[in-house]
Amino acid sequence: TQLLEQSPQFLSIQEGENLTVYCNSSSVFSSLQWYRQEPGEGPVLLVTVVTGGEVKKLKRLTFQFGDARKDSSLHITAAQPGDTGLYLCAGAHNDMRFGAGTRLTVKP
Amino acid sequence: DAGVTQSPTHLIKTRGQQVTLRCSPKSGHDTVSWYQQALGQGPQFIFQYYEEEERQRGNFPDRFSGHQFPNYSSELNVNALLLGDSALYLCASSSGLAGGFTYEQYFGPGTRLTVT
Repeated sequence: TQLLEQSPQFLSIQEGENLTVYCNSSSVFSSLQWYRQEPGEGPVLLVTVVTGGEVKKLKRLTFQFGDARKDSSLHITAAQPGDTGLYLCAGAHNDMRFGAGTRLTVKP
Repeated sequence: DAGVTQSPTHLIKTRGQQVTLRCSPKSGHDTVSWYQQALGQGPQFIFQYYEEEERQRGNFPDRFSGHQFPNYSSELNVNALLLGDSALYLCASSSGLAGGFTYEQYFGPGTRLTVT
């Protein structure tokens, strides 16, 4: 059972478009992490957010942690085909809980 | 600097058998966590090892057990395999403050287990 709900489940967009994916939970987390996973590989950590309301930027990616530390969003500006992959959020409390992921396809 | 390595890459077992998967953490890391990722799902936390002891455990039955060695490498053992155990098994390593999950985790490529 995934206690972190990610939406949308699938997203297919054209190169150059902007997008936002969401990660929501009823639980409070001490930190939240975003990963990207490509087929046949393990997840790769993109960012860790710890403080409620925190915003972190990684080039064209902007991550936000909700004020109550229950939810987060990932915004990608001017998406590129290289952004294609499975985006996973994971919340840390006494263990690490992952969402089911958003599968993003960016078409050239 | 080698990252997290796992072996074997792929494994096919028969229902009822036992399996051992292996993980070597990233250099400098002392904490190893194991995850099960079913097709189309996110990883599910199995357990975490630090200082050769199981520190945290997810909602997995006792058929799943592990071990951490003095060199920080780790094994995951699954007994009495079920068809539902077919999944990608991921190992992640981290360091700092007796493990935990606040600090960066680095994942290995995983072991694809198929139970027939």
